[in-house]
Amino acid sequence: LAKTTQPISMDSYEGQEVNITCSHNNIATNDYITWYQQFPSQGPRFIIQGYKTKVTNEVASLFIPADRKSSTLSLPRVSLSDTAVYYCLVGDRNYGGSQGNLIFGKGTKLSVKP
Amino acid sequence: GAGVSQSPSNKVTEKGKDVELRCDPISGHTALYWYRQSLGQGLEFLIYFQGNSAPDKSGLPSDRFSAERTGGSVSTLTIQRTQQEDSAVYLCASSLGGLAGDNEQFFGPGTRLTVL
Repeated sequence: LAKTTQPISMDSYEGQEVNITCSHNNIATNDYITWYQQFPSQGPRFIIQGYKTKVTNEVASLFIPADRKSSTLSLPRVSLSDTAVYYCLVGDRNYGGSQGNLIFGKGTKLSVKP
Repeated sequence: GAGVSQSPSNKVTEKGKDVELRCDPISGHTALYWYRQSLGQGLEFLIYFQGNSAPDKSGLPSDRFSAERTGGSVSTLTIQRTQQEDSAVYLCASSLGGLAGDNEQFFGPGTRLTVL
């Protein structure tokens, strides 16, 4: 299983861009990188998933360097409502899968201030 | 249904009692997952089902915990002889393709279990 490491917490202000980096030095060839967001008293919610280079959707961007040993979730112009815990997961999407998709860890607690 | 549902939303029980938690996944989702989240902590994986089968039960904390899934749909997580350390929010999730393929997990609102 690829082990992930994230900062425990981050602070930001409204309107700023926030970048949360996740380290996964032991990522395997077939592993994808997935990020989830969890608000207080709610279950996590899928944000974005990628394999290499850059992925962008309406919520965030995911940057993955060529060696894939880390990834960065980028949240543009955060608002107070982006205050949440963000989890980085690494797991195999191919047949046979891997339980890396199930290792949420403690995540990064992002606090956005006015 | 529109999303994953769980019942009850809250459960308060006395130490030593058995409890049963229910999860209704999104229709058509073949995989179902159970997690536990203690206050201020991350998610702890418990067990997952592919169809009605649980390939790996090693995540269950003790033999007091068991889970089943019937008809490829509803799942129940049973905790026997509850202990105070079992107090947590129990989250259920489902995904279309299991661990492989489309594995985006959709989570329910959770069941908050309090053992007195």
